[in-house]
Amino acid sequence: DTAVSQTPKYLVTQMGNDKSIKCEQNLGHDTMYWYKQDSKKFLKIMFSYNNKELIINETVPNRFSPKSPDKAHLNLHINSLELGDSAVYFCASRRTGVDEQFFGPGTRLTVL
Amino acid sequence: AQSVTQLGSHVSVSEGALVLLRCNYSSSVPPYLFWYVQYPNQGLQLLLKYTTGATLVKGINGFEAEFKKSETSFHLTKPSAHMSDAAEYFCAVTLPGYNQGGKLIFGQGTELSVKP
Repeated sequence: DTAVSQTPKYLVTQMGNDKSIKCEQNLGHDTMYWYKQDSKKFLKIMFSYNNKELIINETVPNRFSPKSPDKAHLNLHINSLELGDSAVYFCASRRTGVDEQFFGPGTRLTVL
Repeated sequence: AQSVTQLGSHVSVSEGALVLLRCNYSSSVPPYLFWYVQYPNQGLQLLLKYTTGATLVKGINGFEAEFKKSETSFHLTKPSAHMSDAAEYFCAVTLPGYNQGGKLIFGQGTELSVKP
């Protein structure tokens, strides 16, 4: 009965590779987010989708491409991975009009 | 633009002592304010939030925070620390309104250590 789930939990890959992280929520929410937490634990918004429509794009390199096939899923594809992409990526969701966001457990990406 | 400043990247208290984690914000309009907790290798969990109404808000695990508009602060307190409170705490703001998208702007986090 996990509310917001992410796969994989850990991802280790080489520079230059392409990888995807998947997020699913079973809360019936209509808005989903990707946040990046760097090595100093600083959290920053990357993207947000509402009803499969991109509503926030925070100056993220275009190597990052979010995709929302439906309201319950928001995936993150990263091309040509760089060392600086190493971080923990969190997915979150909320229902429009309700303030609380529910976070997934995170995906720790390590680029070697 | 909104911003959040958490004073003290690391706070250490003894078990049973008062916990005080400081948060100041900057916003052009009254924001909504949140405290989240992150336990090691886990996601973020909402402790409490302020949107409107009573400025003293109570959250889970005995935490509370007071919104002080004049001081642009939203400090988090707990009267008596427990070992299980050791975690990273994040203060965050968002702007109300559908067209804001609900994005959270986070402070840099405060790591709370609790000594036996």
